[in-house]
Amino acid sequence: EAGVAQSPRYKIIEKRQSVAFWCNPISGHATLYWYQQILGQGPKLLIQFQNNGVVDDSQLPKDRFSAERLKGVDSTLKIQPAKLEDSAVYLCASSLVTSMNTEAFFGQGTRLTVV
Amino acid sequence: GNSVTQMEGPVTLSEEAFLTINCTYTATGYPSLFWYVQYPGEGLQLLLKATKADDKGSNKGFEATYRKETTSFHLEKGSVQVSDSAVYFCALSDSGGGADGLTFGKGTHLIIQP
Repeated sequence: EAGVAQSPRYKIIEKRQSVAFWCNPISGHATLYWYQQILGQGPKLLIQFQNNGVVDDSQLPKDRFSAERLKGVDSTLKIQPAKLEDSAVYLCASSLVTSMNTEAFFGQGTRLTVV
Repeated sequence: GNSVTQMEGPVTLSEEAFLTINCTYTATGYPSLFWYVQYPGEGLQLLLKATKADDKGSNKGFEATYRKETTSFHLEKGSVQVSDSAVYFCALSDSGGGADGLTFGKGTHLIIQP
């Protein structure tokens, strides 16, 4: 079974530039998540989708971050404009449905460096 | 809101030593608890979980028991191997599988020396 695919694996940009990350979840997984993992910290949930609808985006900095999942399959996360503190690994995860005992599977992440 | 606190690392042990990584949590209601592991160069993987009080999760020789009275979920292994070297994350969720989004601790880097 193919896992959660993310691209690119690494990205270096200057502050105030824009950047986009792509995620393709496991086939059939209705729920998709984006997490931000700053060095030395645990992942923090940014946004959760159920199919193409947003379930939780309470921790997404909406002035600069946006995410979409137009057809309920793959998703993009965008940052515009980037700040130095956005340097982190951005993790995508997916699960079958929002229910008991449904495990979330993680991709390898995109490491963003803002200089 | 929910929060997870786990012991700071790195934790360095010799092979075959006993391992404990402490984890405590703060949550409203009755969360589910998880340990995730991140091996070098790989993504996060679920190691074990427990969905209600007094449940014990186990996998690959690791165990953790959901203690509601002490709000803890400490990870243990009787005899560690070099291959156990990784970063371990304690996490909680308001749903049984973590499908409602996970709150993670900061992670504990475990180093096992031969």
